[in-house]
Amino acid sequence: DVKVTQSSRYLVKRTGEKVFLECVQDMDHENMFWYRQDPGLGLRLIYFSYDVKMKEKGDIPEGYSVSREKKERFSLILESASTNQTSMYLCASTSSGRIGLYEQYFGPGTRLTVT
Amino acid sequence: TQLLEQSPQFLSIQEGENLTVYCNSSSVFSSLQWYRQEPGEGPVLLVTVVTGGEVKKLKRLTFQFGDARKDSSLHITAAQTGDTGLYLCADSGAGSYQLTFGKGTKLSVIP
Repeated sequence: DVKVTQSSRYLVKRTGEKVFLECVQDMDHENMFWYRQDPGLGLRLIYFSYDVKMKEKGDIPEGYSVSREKKERFSLILESASTNQTSMYLCASTSSGRIGLYEQYFGPGTRLTVT
Repeated sequence: TQLLEQSPQFLSIQEGENLTVYCNSSSVFSSLQWYRQEPGEGPVLLVTVVTGGEVKKLKRLTFQFGDARKDSSLHITAAQTGDTGLYLCADSGAGSYQLTFGKGTKLSVIP
């Protein structure tokens, strides 16, 4: 079974702190994604990566950065956390192998609260 | 930009009832995926449909893909409390690894 793990299920941080969210997948997937999920807004893509050291902006990259130094690990960084970044953060991965069938495998999510 | 609309937004039913939720796209789907997200967890893939008119069954869940590949439905027979969750549809754009998600149908099955 594909497994995607996230470093924390719940996190509480103060405004202005630097926050690191870690994601690890064990299926040798090339592509990894970070989303945030808010009521009424659905899943919104923050950043994705299709290879080590490669990254692409998604729909809402402002206030975030990412790092992918190893294939299995994709980190999301909040440079200076703000209250409007309180959300559920979901990491996902997918293989490039099955053309047109890019089913994504999700981690359990990190519920981040910024106070 | 493709838009996926899911309906209804919320659904609350008694255990044992049948239900259908819908996903409609502003453009033709490349491949349509249905996910279920239980409270406090990440989405889990239920099924992928590719061919217009396709019907797939997963135990009590029946997925239909419209002939024109612009709409899909998910029918649940004899709902159980374990079916409670957020049902999301998603499309992978042609040649893209990214998915476009609908906002989901939040289903509550009451015992």
